[in-house]
Amino acid sequence: DQQVKQNSPSLSVQEGRISILNCDYTNSMFDYFLWYKKYPAEGPTFLISISSIKDKNEDGRFTVFLNKSAKHLSLHIVPSQPGDSAVYFCAGGGAQKLVFGQGTRLTINP
Amino acid sequence: NAGVTQTPKFQVLKTGQSMTLQCAQDMNHNSMYWYRQDPGMGLRLIYYSASEGTTDKGEVPNGYNVSRLNKREFSLRLESAAPSQTSVYFCASSSTNVRSYNEQFFGPGTRLTVL
Repeated sequence: DQQVKQNSPSLSVQEGRISILNCDYTNSMFDYFLWYKKYPAEGPTFLISISSIKDKNEDGRFTVFLNKSAKHLSLHIVPSQPGDSAVYFCAGGGAQKLVFGQGTRLTINP
Repeated sequence: NAGVTQTPKFQVLKTGQSMTLQCAQDMNHNSMYWYRQDPGMGLRLIYYSASEGTTDKGEVPNGYNVSRLNKREFSLRLESAAPSQTSVYFCASSSTNVRSYNEQFFGPGTRLTVL
């Protein structure tokens, strides 16, 4: 039972354009959602979060949108830069635990 | 400020051998976690410790044991390693401040191969 799903294993975007990473969840009890970024041979690092009572949170080039009725969230990166090339994980949180999706590998092409 | 540290970085074991993965954090966090990352599976929670003196099973606890040695340290033990335990293991910690979204801080990982 995968509570958090990232259905696109990979995404390729041209530098300067918008990157949109998607995530679906099944657990209505999640209190918040987080996005993590992971470079090879490093641990994941926190990127941005959103409370389940919000529908949007913005931090610089990164915006997360939450659609509770569709149980869907997305991460928008504008403009995309070469350093954004990484694996991105979404996670649903509650009761002191996080449940992670499978990850999406984002490649930014020059 | 080292954050979350893990040792060793790499390890190769033979089937049936045992080993302990070490994790320490210097952020005075109450909660600590062990995950494994496998291709196409994301990060799966093995065990966690919400506070010093407590541990709980996560999604994939079979074949593992943990010890919360003190507030700083949380170790993961494989008593009899199996090839299915070949993975990258991450330790993480977080504050249980109710204002935070349980932002977890991760260590650099231990790459374990079981032959």
